Amino acid sequence: SQTIHQWPATLVQPVGSPLSLECTVEGTSNPNLYWYRQAAGRGLQLLFYSVGIGQISSEVPQNLSASRPQDRQFILSSKKLLLSDSGFYLCAWSVQGSQPQHFGDGTRLSIL
Amino acid sequence: GDSVTQMEGPVTLSEEAFLTINCTYTATGYPSLFWYVQYPGEGLQLLLKATKADDKGSNKGFEATYRKETTSFHLEKGSVQVSDSAVYFCALTHTGGFKTIFGAGTRLFVKA
Repeated sequence: SQTIHQWPATLVQPVGSPLSLECTVEGTSNPNLYWYRQAAGRGLQLLFYSVGIGQISSEVPQNLSASRPQDRQFILSSKKLLLSDSGFYLCAWSVQGSQPQHFGDGTRLSIL
Repeated sequence: GDSVTQMEGPVTLSEEAFLTINCTYTATGYPSLFWYVQYPGEGLQLLLKATKADDKGSNKGFEATYRKETTSFHLEKGSVQVSDSAVYFCALTHTGGFKTIFGAGTRLFVKA
């Protein structure tokens, strides 16, 4: 069966520090991959999606970036975090050309 | 563009009460419709789906019917439990599409 792993579960970082969140999927090949952010008490904001290795589409301009170095690995990064980057970050995958999406357990990021 | 509108929460009910969470959508063509549930501190899980008009999705006592004429996909449950307390998201996607449009989410509190 397919599983998705996200880590870390919780992260506290100072303003201006770098960020790297990792997501891996097991049990499937060539998935669509997604990064979302969920601000406290609010809905989901799609940040990035990828349909293949090295292919990244950005939905909103910001100081975050994403990379897909391997088929089932999706990384969210920042060189310098802002206070506004705080939130709950969710990774998800879906079968190519199909839905629904399957979500990881999320990373709660707090910026101090 | 496509959009999903959900009733604003929070919705507070007593155990064994009847639940309705309204969802309407705007989309071209015939999208697939979904309800996801997010329990505290976790990622989203697919609750149910419907892929064509008049389909009824059901799971764990929840059900929703795809109404093309009213562009709606309301979530219902006959008797809620405390364990149903969560945030519920209505969503749509087009066949073969790789992006899902999510509603803002509706928080449900069930009191014992």
